[in-house]
Amino acid sequence: NAGVTQTPKFRVLKTGQSMTLLCAQDMNHEYMYWYRQDPGMGLRLIHYSVGEGTTAKGEVPDGYNVSRLKKQNFLLGLESAAPSQTSVYFCASSYGRGLNTEAFFGQGTRLTVV
Amino acid sequence: RKEVEQDPGPFNVPEGATVAFNCTYSNSASQSFFWYRQDCRKEPKLLMSVYSSGNEDGRFTAQLNRASQYISLLIRDSKLSDSATYLCVVIPGSPGTYKYIFGTGTRLKVLA
Repeated sequence: NAGVTQTPKFRVLKTGQSMTLLCAQDMNHEYMYWYRQDPGMGLRLIHYSVGEGTTAKGEVPDGYNVSRLKKQNFLLGLESAAPSQTSVYFCASSYGRGLNTEAFFGQGTRLTVV
Repeated sequence: RKEVEQDPGPFNVPEGATVAFNCTYSNSASQSFFWYRQDCRKEPKLLMSVYSSGNEDGRFTAQLNRASQYISLLIRDSKLSDSATYLCVVIPGSPGTYKYIFGTGTRLKVLA
């Protein structure tokens, strides 16, 4: 069982380039999330989605866009990459209802912007 | 004030020791609480949820103190394999928003 799958696993971008990170989940989860993790900062929420066709801003949304055209996929876009976006990006999904519902994470994407 | 705060550590303890971590949260309406474990360069994985009455899973015990707005994790009989970063996670209580807010994590190193 795949769970949450992120592609690509690694990427190096030049400043100003664009790219899209793909997250796919096969658990029929309603909620999906994009986080970034930087040393000493913990995981910070970029954007999230509570269902197909809906997205919302998290804590650090600037410089990123997202789309949730299909329930199983959540795309994170960087239109013009900056060195400050060098980070590890994690996608997560959850059922989203009830107390103590677990979030499942993908293996992460290591992005370097030079 | 951060929504979720943890002591970053590191906590260096010998094998067999008991170690405890605390985490404070700012939103008194928070409904759900978790401890996640993250190994170096890996994704976070659920260690255990934290229930109002406290709960135990083998060597791990989690407690919730709503009055003081903190949760704790106790690890007994530490193993080398417990070395990891432990992340405190809180879901604030706003209806219709199911966002997982993470602390910065507490690093644990168990020494032989």
